[in-house]
Amino acid sequence: NAGVTQTPKFRVLKTGQSMTLLCAQDMNHEYMYWYRQDPGMGLRLIHYSVGEGTTAKGEVPDGYNVSRLKKQNFLLGLESAAPSQTSVYFCASSRSSGGLWDTQYFGPGTRLTVL
Amino acid sequence: SQQGEEDPQALSIQEGENATMNCSYKTSINNLQWYRQNSGRGLVHLILIRSNEREKHSGRLRVTLDTSKKSSSLLITASRAADTASYFCATAPKAAGNKLTFGGGTRVLVKP
Repeated sequence: NAGVTQTPKFRVLKTGQSMTLLCAQDMNHEYMYWYRQDPGMGLRLIHYSVGEGTTAKGEVPDGYNVSRLKKQNFLLGLESAAPSQTSVYFCASSRSSGGLWDTQYFGPGTRLTVL
Repeated sequence: SQQGEEDPQALSIQEGENATMNCSYKTSINNLQWYRQNSGRGLVHLILIRSNEREKHSGRLRVTLDTSKKSSSLLITASRAADTASYFCATAPKAAGNKLTFGGGTRVLVKP
């Protein structure tokens, strides 16, 4: 059981470039989430999904898009990266039995730098 | 300001001592969760306490919840060097449309 995995682990982009972060979970969880963590701060929710084919905006969705084509995968896209998007990105998942916002299982993170 | 705010921001203790950190929040919640984050790693869930619970234990961890004061505390007893990490509280709101909100964390250093 790998749990929640994220690829890549590190990435450096130039302003204006695009990229996609991949999150995969093998726990058959219904809910998935993308967060960003800036230095010395807690996590802020970017987007989340309550099931395959659904997505919803979180607290800081601007500049990001997401897709949940398969239940086990949740993709986060940056169409035109900006230096303000330099951050560590975490994916998480949770069971539906506990309800939305119940215990979440986190991936190891992707450290993104935008120059 | 954030829904959940931890206090203190940083804590330094000797191995074997207890560590206590607090979390205050603003709106009614369904549950409150504590997570640990080791340097450079993802968050690991520690304890979830529901709004109708007052205290919960897990190994050396004890969490209390006072909904009248909108506050929670996390106690780590007999701390070990491996407990060195950042600890975050996260509040799950009752109001529909609101999201799970993380505080800024307490950085705990346990000196051997």
